[in-house]
Amino acid sequence: AQSVTQLDSHVSVSEGTPVLLRCNYSSSYSPSLFWYVQHPNKGLQLLLKYTSAATLVKGINGFEAEFKKSETSFHLTKPSAHMSDAAEYFCVVRTNTLTSGTYKYIFGTGTRLKVLA
Amino acid sequence: EPEVTQTPSHQVTQMGQEVILRCVPISNHLYFYWYRQILGQKVEFLVSFYNNEISEKSEIFDDQFSVERPDGSNFTLKIRSTKLEDSAMYFCASSGGRGRPDNEQFFGPGTRLTVL
Repeated sequence: AQSVTQLDSHVSVSEGTPVLLRCNYSSSYSPSLFWYVQHPNKGLQLLLKYTSAATLVKGINGFEAEFKKSETSFHLTKPSAHMSDAAEYFCVVRTNTLTSGTYKYIFGTGTRLKVLA
Repeated sequence: EPEVTQTPSHQVTQMGQEVILRCVPISNHLYFYWYRQILGQKVEFLVSFYNNEISEKSEIFDDQFSVERPDGSNFTLKIRSTKLEDSAMYFCASSGGRGRPDNEQFFGPGTRLTVL
């Protein structure tokens, strides 16, 4: 069964410093992985996705993530944090079961990013 | 850019009442989903729907829940008799053209359900 573990429930960084949000996955297949962001009282917005193409994935707003099979990790990074990056971030693995014909997302517990001025 | 919409944004109901949460998926998508997020917890899968029938459902999706696509555009989640523990944010999502359920899922902004 697939699962994701977000290692930090809260991360605080100063504006202009790098961001690292950690995610480890468990999957018996080559996984499809996603990062979503949720701003307060807003819906879920896709930041980036990995679907077995390039292992370094670039997303919106300067975020990127690197798929490392040997470490079963898919950490999210950004070189320089901005105040507007303060939000909840979810690492997601998509199931690979085809029996139902659809795929479901399995979410991590989320990491709340705080950006200090 | 096309988007998933949900109504209402906030629904308050009394325990035991029926509620219907509405979603309008992206127009050419064929696969539909409901997820929920209890306050402070992670987002959980409830149900997936394709070709007018449920494809998969979680253990949360018991007999009190039902889904429907009544008119070719709306996708609804009905809770027959709400309980306090149904209070959560409910997200609708859609994905995929024909034969492409593996496309990314697009999420709506959510409906916050409060059961008193």
